[in-house]
Order: sequence, then structure tokens, then C-alpha cells
Amino acid sequence: AQTVTQSQPEMSVQEAETVTLSCTYDTSESNYYLFWYKQPPSRQMILVIRQEAYKQQNATENRFSVNFQKAAKSFSLKISDSQLGDTAMYFCASPYNQGGKLIFGQGTELSVKP
Amino acid sequence: NAGVTQTPKFQVLKTGQSMTLQCAQDMNHEYMSWYRQDPGMGLRLIHYSVGAGITDQGEVPNGYNVSRSTTEDFPLRLLSAAPSQTSVYFCASRKGQGYGNTIYFGEGSWLTVV
Repeated sequence: AQTVTQSQPEMSVQEAETVTLSCTYDTSESNYYLFWYKQPPSRQMILVIRQEAYKQQNATENRFSVNFQKAAKSFSLKISDSQLGDTAMYFCASPYNQGGKLIFGQGTELSVKP
Repeated sequence: NAGVTQTPKFQVLKTGQSMTLQCAQDMNHEYMSWYRQDPGMGLRLIHYSVGAGITDQGEVPNGYNVSRSTTEDFPLRLLSAAPSQTSVYFCASRKGQGYGNTIYFGEGSWLTVV
């Protein structure tokens, strides 16, 4: 079965510090994207960042960046200068078989402390 | 912009009852899907559709039926609800099957089966 694994159920970080969330995936697709989604207490799903597997350069969106290791099938999310509003559940997502389906990891609950 | 609209937002069912969770999108997206979210399990794909008249199973399809008679609507049916189906359900849509296209999520439907 193709899977997405987030090995850190909970993490905490002090405001203004940097934190890294881990994700490993397993897909048989040759061309794909990987995603990180944020889910705040409102339960709304918000796209944080995406990475195209064919691009060697790691994606960056303001304070959010990824460390994409294709051979190791690793896709971690780094949050710099953490803010209280970053407190949320974070999900990693990758393709599942064919047809454009997307599957998600178990989530990492991040708490940013003042 | 309405985006992806789910109804109802909250529902309590008795074991054995049937119900339909409605999902509609106004973005002319070909791809639509249903996920369920349970603590520690992340989001798990139930069913998905790549266009009107086409549906397929995801990771956890048992106990659920879907149909896609129009591009806009993708209802999820529980024929005989069980307590194990207590969950938060998310509908999502995306333009085409391209992995890189953004997935838009509804606000979620909270279902409790007693």
C-alpha cells in the first residue's frame, strides 16, 4: 500500500524560532507534486506549500520552505520565525496510485508558544 | 465565491439510519473527492470522481456510496450508518487530474452516529 508517514504526532516551538516537520512518502508515480496543508482549529484546510518532484530546487513560500529528498522519499516542512498563528495541525500529502488521487499523512499538531 | 459547499455541517444519526452528505462546487472542477478525518488517522480518501458519470474507490470505501450525475455535485451516501462512521467529512475538488493543481476543500461535515 502506498503511504504517507508523519512520525511526529505533536511538536511545540517557541515564538520566533524555527521548527521542522517530517514526512516520508511512497508513490509509484514518476511525475508528481507533494503538498503541505495547514488545518487551524477552525478545521479549514489551507495549502501551505507544494513541491514538484522534477524540480531539484526546494520550494519556498515566505517563512515556509521544504527539504525535498527525492531518493529518500522525504519531504519535510521548515517554518522559520514561528508565529502564534502557525499553531495548527499540519498534513503532508502525496499522490496515490494513478488518477490524481491525493492521500494524507496522520498529521503533526504544532503548538507555537509565546 | 462559494467554492466547495458541504451540507449539512452537523448531523446526528442513529445506527442503521441512512443519509446523504451533499457537496457542490461552482468552479467547474472535473475532480472531486470525499475524505474522512479521524484523530490520529489524518485524512483518508473514501471515494473520488474524475468527471460526471465516473467514480472510483479510495482508501476506505466500505459503507459509503457515491454518484456523479453532474460536474457540480458529488453526494456521499451512508446506507446504514454505524458508530465507526462517526467522523468529520471533507469534500474537495480540483481542476483536471493534474497533480499540481490546487485542491479546494469544503468546511467539513461533523457526523455522529449513536
